[in-house]
Amino acid sequence: AQTVTQSQPEMSVQEAETVTLSCTYDTSESNYYLFWYKQPPSRQMILVIRQEAYKQQNATENRFSVNFQKAAKSFSLKISDSQLGDTAMYFCAFMKLGSGTYKYIFGTGTRLKVLA
Amino acid sequence: ETGVTQSPTHLIKTRGQQVTLRCSSQSGHNTVSWYQQALGQGPQFIFQYYREEENGRGNFPPRFSGLQFPNYSSELNVNALELDDSALYLCASSKTSGGAGEQFFGPGTRLTVL
Repeated sequence: AQTVTQSQPEMSVQEAETVTLSCTYDTSESNYYLFWYKQPPSRQMILVIRQEAYKQQNATENRFSVNFQKAAKSFSLKISDSQLGDTAMYFCAFMKLGSGTYKYIFGTGTRLKVLA
Repeated sequence: ETGVTQSPTHLIKTRGQQVTLRCSSQSGHNTVSWYQQALGQGPQFIFQYYREEENGRGNFPPRFSGLQFPNYSSELNVNALELDDSALYLCASSKTSGGAGEQFFGPGTRLTVL
């Protein structure tokens, strides 16, 4: 069975600075996706960034980038130039490929607060 | 493009009652998943429907059941409600081809069981 662990329940960062959220996972699968989702207060969960396990290159999306270490089963999210709108719960998620079921395994989340 | 919608927004039930939650998938999506998110926790996979058939199930008892309709909208039914069923219920839709695994989430239904 797969597990996803987010060891930082809460973090804070000053506006315009950089913060890194940690995620580790456990799986025996070789084909999978990893995701970071953002859940703002009282708003819908939205995709921040996605990483395919077969790709060695780390994914980037504007101010968001990941450090994907497949051997270490680590998938951290770096947010550069933090903005007040980045305040949210961030969830790391794992999805196995090839099973026919698009099932996410989520971590417990990291609550990020961006301070003005 | 219309996003994923869910109804109702909030719901209060008493223990032992039954509840039906509804979800309208994003246009063009034929797969819907349901998740339970307890307070302070990550979402837990309940089950998934693809073309009106259950296509995978998490570790939830049979009193959690679902339906998917020809227009790809979906229902989650929970019978014999228990206090621990109090949670945010999220619906997520996706394409089975393309989309690279991305799921689009609705705003959720907050269920409180008293």
